[in-house]
Amino acid sequence: QKEVEQNSGPLSVPEGAIASLNCTYSDRVSQSFFWYRQYSGKSPELIMSIYSNGDKEDGRFTAQLNKASQYVSLLIRDSQPSDSATYLCAVTSRGSNYQLIWGAGTKLIIKP
Amino acid sequence: KAGVTQTPRYLIKTRGQQVTLSCSPISGHRSVSWYQQTPGQGLQFLFEYFSETQRNKGNFPGRFSGRQFSNSRSEMNVSTLELGDSALYLCASSLGDAQETQYFGPGTRLLVL
Repeated sequence: QKEVEQNSGPLSVPEGAIASLNCTYSDRVSQSFFWYRQYSGKSPELIMSIYSNGDKEDGRFTAQLNKASQYVSLLIRDSQPSDSATYLCAVTSRGSNYQLIWGAGTKLIIKP
Repeated sequence: KAGVTQTPRYLIKTRGQQVTLSCSPISGHRSVSWYQQTPGQGLQFLFEYFSETQRNKGNFPGRFSGRQFSNSRSEMNVSTLELGDSALYLCASSLGDAQETQYFGPGTRLLVL
């Protein structure tokens, strides 16, 4: 059973600080990794995708992938109250027949 | 490019009835995935259709079924509705290979009374 694990939180972070969200996965041949943000009552929206080991930066967001340790993380710099949401990690591979395997999500609360 | 659309947006049904939900993917996308999400829960995968064929299936009972048409539009049907089927139903489209992002529609909120 291929799994993706996330701490459910809530993770509380002061405004302006760095929020760090982590995700581990069990399928060693996973190829593609995604972070989605979901506001309450809304549908998930893509924040970042990452396919290679290392860091990928997009504005205040940085995704980090370590395939040897089978984890992917998302850093949010200068956290804003509008970043308060649930963050979902998703992983896919040819081994899963391209099916996205989802984590349960981490609820992030940014405190003003 | 138009995004993923889902109809209807809201639906109220009673136990025992059946319901059909529709999803129109982004133009050019051949994969449509369906998810169920209940309050406080993560995304529960129902099934995925790719080029009119069911490619993946989650662990839902046979009351949940779907299909995809030649224009990639997809429908999901739930027969003999139960109270526990009340949820947000999301569809997501993608080009269909491992590196392609899934883009979500706004969802259909189903309430079963």
